[in-house]
Amino acid sequence: DSGVTQTPKHLITATGQRVTLRCSPRSGDLSVYWYQQSLDQGLQFLIQYYNGEERAKGNILERFSAQQFPDLHSELNLSSLELGDSALYFCASSVGAANSPLHFGNGTRLTVT
Amino acid sequence: DQQVKQNSPSLSVQEGRISILNCDYTNSMFDYFLWYKKYPAEGPTFLISISSIKDKNEDGRFTVFLNKSAKHLSLHIVPSQPGDSAVYFCAAIGRSQGNLIFGKGTKLSVKP
Repeated sequence: DSGVTQTPKHLITATGQRVTLRCSPRSGDLSVYWYQQSLDQGLQFLIQYYNGEERAKGNILERFSAQQFPDLHSELNLSSLELGDSALYFCASSVGAANSPLHFGNGTRLTVT
Repeated sequence: DQQVKQNSPSLSVQEGRISILNCDYTNSMFDYFLWYKKYPAEGPTFLISISSIKDKNEDGRFTVFLNKSAKHLSLHIVPSQPGDSAVYFCAAIGRSQGNLIFGKGTKLSVKP
C-alpha cells in the first residue's frame, strides 16, 4: 500500500460531461502529481502541485484543471470530455525534495462513451 | 518526441535466469534515473534509482547500470522469480525539469 488514495476507482461518463478525480497524498508528502496513461502509452505527466501551489505543468489540456487544497488533497477536473480522454489517471505524491521517489495511487480508470 | 524510450514492449524469461530490461534516453540534461514496477490494477511502485554520477546501483536482486556516453540504462534482475512478472517503467528527471519523464514500459513475464 503506497499510502496514496485515489477515488473513484472507475468512472464511466458520456462525451461532453465533466468529472472530478480526487487524490489524497501520503501522510507528510507535500507534493502531488497527476499522470495520464492511455492505451499503449507511457505515463504522461500532466501537472504538479507543491503545498497548494502549482509547480510544474506538462501536457495538460486546457479542458483539464487541477488544484491542491490546504489539507493537501488534490482534485483533477476534466471537462468537455472526449472519447480520447478515456485513460487511467494516476496521482502520485512525494515529500517534494529533488529526486525524492514518487509514490503512486492505484489510479482512476475513466471511460468516456 | 519521446525522451525516454523502452524499445522492447515485452520480455519473457525463465525462472532463475537473468532478466535485462533496457532503456534509452535522449536528453543529456537528465541526471537521475528510476525504475518503477507495475502490477495490473495497481499504481507503479518505485524499485531502484541511480544518479548520473554513478554507473551502477545495486539493491538485492536488482541492479541498475548507467552508460552516460551511450545514454542508456539497464535493469538486471537476478535471479528472476515469477513474482517479478510485471510492467517495468524507466523514468528520468533533470535539474531543469520538475517532473519525471516515463518510458512506455516493458512487460516482463517470468515463467516457472
